[in-house]
Amino acid sequence: GEDVEQSLFLSVREGDSSVINCTYTDSSSTYLYWYKQEPGAGLQLLTYIFSNMDMKQDQRLTVLLNKKDKHLSLRIADTQTGDSAIYFCAEIVNDMRFGAGTRLTVKP
Amino acid sequence: NAGVTQTPKFRVLKTGQSMTLLCAQDMNHEYMYWYRQDPGMGLRLIHYSVGEGTTAKGEVPDGYNVSRLKKQNFLLGLESAAPSQTSVYFCASSSGTIYEQYFGPGTRLTVT
Repeated sequence: GEDVEQSLFLSVREGDSSVINCTYTDSSSTYLYWYKQEPGAGLQLLTYIFSNMDMKQDQRLTVLLNKKDKHLSLRIADTQTGDSAIYFCAEIVNDMRFGAGTRLTVKP
Repeated sequence: NAGVTQTPKFRVLKTGQSMTLLCAQDMNHEYMYWYRQDPGMGLRLIHYSVGEGTTAKGEVPDGYNVSRLKKQNFLLGLESAAPSQTSVYFCASSSGTIYEQYFGPGTRLTVT
């Protein structure tokens, strides 16, 4: 079947903005999620967006949703070294389907 | 309030051995999940449970069995381990399908 797709790696400099992109599979997904995984730990919910929204902002995080293209993005403003982690997007179909994760590396 | 805990954290098995992974949550969640995480493949759902006494198959259930005898515990069993089951296993729980899933710290399993 189709997969939730993300690019695997992103590298940015400290203070720059990071944009992590995701293409999901089901246009009827009601919620779309971004999870963060730090080394050696489980996933933690970072933010989510309801499918009737185009944008959601939460402090340094901005989520953009393009339902027509089934495209989700996560923008992190003023990226810090502590933001280095793997970021997963996920959609709800019958169950939660995760992308492969984007490893964000922030260089000082 | 410990959240979601997993036992053990690490395990090495020989091919053909069996083991059980234990997941416990103290948030009174109805839903519990077992995932495996492999490099470049994200998380894949093995089995899940929507309440005490219920279990259902996920995306990759073959070679695994589960039980949910108590609401707070979800057990994942490997009856005859294979090298293809080398992975990191995560348990999660939630209040319902669309709600945030809370993850345990993971169990790293190596099958030789």
